[in-house]
Amino acid sequence: AQSVAQPEDQVNVAEGNPLTVKCTYSVSGNPYLFWYVQYPNRGLQFLLKYITGDNLVKGSYGFEAEFNKSQTSFHLKKPSALVSDSALYFCAVRPLGFQKLVFGTGTRLLVSP
Amino acid sequence: ETGVTQSPTHLIKTRGQQVTLRCSSQSGHNTVSWYQQALGQGPQFIFQYYREEENGRGNFPPRFSGLQFPNYSSELNVNALELDDSALYLCASSLAGLAGGTDTQYFGPGTRLTVL
Repeated sequence: AQSVAQPEDQVNVAEGNPLTVKCTYSVSGNPYLFWYVQYPNRGLQFLLKYITGDNLVKGSYGFEAEFNKSQTSFHLKKPSALVSDSALYFCAVRPLGFQKLVFGTGTRLLVSP
Repeated sequence: ETGVTQSPTHLIKTRGQQVTLRCSSQSGHNTVSWYQQALGQGPQFIFQYYREEENGRGNFPPRFSGLQFPNYSSELNVNALELDDSALYLCASSLAGLAGGTDTQYFGPGTRLTVL
């Protein structure tokens, strides 16, 4: 069965410091991987995706993610965090041949001034 | 370009009632997916509609049903509401190619359903 794990319920980082939000996945074949962000009382906003090619994917708002096939990971990163980055972040996988997205449980990012 | 819109924003129903949620897809998109997000959890896939037909379904009972219209908008219907149906219902639209493609799903703001 396909699954996504986000091992940290919350990540705390000071503004200006680099941030990492972790994600690992379990799926057969080569998956499509996604990161979404959710602000309070809002839907999900697409940040970036990995389909194939370069393992480092750049996305919106300065975020990037590194795909590591051997570790089955797709960690979200940003070199310098902003207070406005504080939100709930979801990693998702779309197994090849399936239409659905399988989401992790989310990681709350709190950036302090 | 118009994004994904959903209506209503909030809804309160009582157990046993029926509810219809609506979604308008982003301009140019032909596929709509519905997800249920319970409090503190990630979204769970309900089903997807492509060319007005169901194109994949998650682990939800038949009382969850849907429609897609020729303009690619969609409805989610839930019959015989249960307390556990209380959640944020998210609609996502995408552009699917013949081979499924690498379509990105873009989400609407959601409908918050409360079942009392």
